[in-house]
Amino acid sequence: DADVTQTPRNRITKTGKRIMLECSQTKGHDRMYWYRQDPGLGLRLIYYSFDVKDINKGEISDGYSVSRQAQAKFSLSLESAIPNQTALYFCATSGRDQYGYTFGSGTRLTVV
Amino acid sequence: AQSVTQLDSHVSVSEGTPVLLRCNYSSSYSPSLFWYVQHPNKGLQLLLKYTSAATLVKGINGFEAEFKKSETSFHLTKPSAHMSDAAEYFCGGGATNKLIFGTGTLLAVQP
Repeated sequence: DADVTQTPRNRITKTGKRIMLECSQTKGHDRMYWYRQDPGLGLRLIYYSFDVKDINKGEISDGYSVSRQAQAKFSLSLESAIPNQTALYFCATSGRDQYGYTFGSGTRLTVV
Repeated sequence: AQSVTQLDSHVSVSEGTPVLLRCNYSSSYSPSLFWYVQHPNKGLQLLLKYTSAATLVKGINGFEAEFKKSETSFHLTKPSAHMSDAAEYFCGGGATNKLIFGTGTLLAVQP
């Protein structure tokens, strides 16, 4: 099994729908992150969490929310999806020393 | 504030020739710096990381990078490109507990 598992792998949804992307990890890491990748823009941080009771906004958090249900689970929600949220979304984890992130395989989200 | 800049969006080399992917950083603190690779339709894989132990860092698949504080650079190199190196490469830096990425460099390897 992968260290960091993202579900679903691909999703097409309609404008205005609520959608949740899920991430679970078996690394035992405290820290978890959500990034989105857009061509030419690299990866941008949406939200991050250093433990279950700690949630922080990244550089592009508007339109997104997160939930850290357990140390191993960190989900990303789009309350009302819009087309410019079409992107590849990555979950990542790291230990407290931060030296090296482990990424999931990504969720490709298309909002039509 | 910290930032990471990848100076080239596309690099094309011939198989067997050297690879140079450029990355500059800006940080008020001594940063941790990384290079990741992303093959088509895949996630990101860590190539190498700098954590102040040594300025020349060796990674997987023959890649290495040198931290040059005077130039605020962390360029990625490989002596001889292989077709399997064709991918997108991301430089990242983390000095404030979260990783910031550059915009990526797409490496093409010509036969």
